[in-house]
Amino acid sequence: DTGVSQDPRHKITKRGQNVTFRCDPISEHNRLYWYRQTLGQGPEFLTYFQNEAQLEKSRLLSDRFSAERPKGSFSTLEIQRTEQGDSAMYLCASSPRGELFFGEGSRLTVL
Amino acid sequence: GESVGLHLPTLSVQEGDNSIINCAYSNSASDYFIWYKQESGKGPQFIIDIRSNMDKRQGQRVTVLLNKTVKHLSLQIAATQPGDSAVYFCAENEEGTSYGKLTFGQGTILTVHP
Repeated sequence: DTGVSQDPRHKITKRGQNVTFRCDPISEHNRLYWYRQTLGQGPEFLTYFQNEAQLEKSRLLSDRFSAERPKGSFSTLEIQRTEQGDSAMYLCASSPRGELFFGEGSRLTVL
Repeated sequence: GESVGLHLPTLSVQEGDNSIINCAYSNSASDYFIWYKQESGKGPQFIIDIRSNMDKRQGQRVTVLLNKTVKHLSLQIAATQPGDSAVYFCAENEEGTSYGKLTFGQGTILTVHP
């Protein structure tokens, strides 16, 4: 499968714990995006990378959130001290330039 | 308690009918618009896009119409099939920003009955 891959697909954690999601983009795509989607809503932009550089972060990305793309390939999104309001689907997408190709998302449930 | 965020517009059609899904946008600076399909448990899937210098674009069984005067976008699906059942989102991109930085609309649930 040469699409965008996300891991884990589902994560249940207790409030206060840290979680990390990984995204493997389509190999030749230099742009990588993270979005968050809550139930019944459209995805909301969080941040994006061009190669290893993080070029923009949304105000939605509080200090507890950090994203990296160290070698310009895979990316990680870490949430520290999770809160119940962090429960959502975290979507990764990659792009050569233009059209976004989304992964199937990582669903986070914070108890 | 109230289920916040679950009151999406819905459209229910019979197989073979044509479907029209509408979307209003508010940002006058948006110059690129995309329709996505999202099936349950999956990520959004690109359907068709249109730039602000066009008012109509056609794909395979789908047509997107853009009316910039009233900030309205529509998606027409011809001969709708049960496999078209999904949530459909419109998304817009503001001129001068990264192509992938999109603002999504609320979504419309399309149900196609055999």
